[in-house]
Amino acid sequence: DARVTQTPRHKVTEMGQEVTMRCQPILGHNTVFWYRQTMMQGLELLAYFRNRAPLDDSGMPKDRFSAEMPDATLATLKIQPSEPRDSAVYFCASGLVRDGQPYSNQPQHFGDGTRLSIL
Amino acid sequence: QQPVQSPQAVILREGEDAVINCSSSKALYSVHWYRQKHGEAPVFLMILLKGGEQKGHEKISASFNEKKQQSSLYLTASQLSYSGTYFCGTVPRDSSYKLIFGSGTRLLVRP
Repeated sequence: DARVTQTPRHKVTEMGQEVTMRCQPILGHNTVFWYRQTMMQGLELLAYFRNRAPLDDSGMPKDRFSAEMPDATLATLKIQPSEPRDSAVYFCASGLVRDGQPYSNQPQHFGDGTRLSIL
Repeated sequence: QQPVQSPQAVILREGEDAVINCSSSKALYSVHWYRQKHGEAPVFLMILLKGGEQKGHEKISASFNEKKQQSSLYLTASQLSYSGTYFCGTVPRDSSYKLIFGSGTRLLVRP
């Protein structure tokens, strides 16, 4: 079965350090989503890409978070500088949207997530 | 606006049925259902696009009442493997893509 691949699976680092999380979407998918999951806030959408173009990153703290998709097989989420409140599980999901259709009628396939702990 | 799920948690004996509800304050374009087991990724179950639509997946089915802005997930003859947290995700009509997840319903199926 095709899967979304995320690396690293776990990351522990100190406050102030740069953190980079990577995601390889399912081959052929044209949408990529970044989510953050915490006990308090649940699953929150951070950013959304369609055909590699960022369409929405309103869920991200702009001063420290950035999301990019340098090519169709790689999406990155960076935090610089990291803070303890960034500790969470970060999920990447991908999907396939047909031209002219909203993404919302297609399922999202989630990766296994990156468990991030900022000390 | 985050959809409201109820109940927050439910414990079943194997073979029993359960219903999980999802309610939104906004007019909806679609409703998604996902299941997440502890320490794992959410797994897609189904999408409901049209009012009144019902879809099935194994012994898990769902309905969508567009007028009431509600969806329900039905689990019949529950199995141990059904344990996990169920999330509904709603796509409001005023946003064509923003999937907003509810806070989840924890389901535990016991032997």
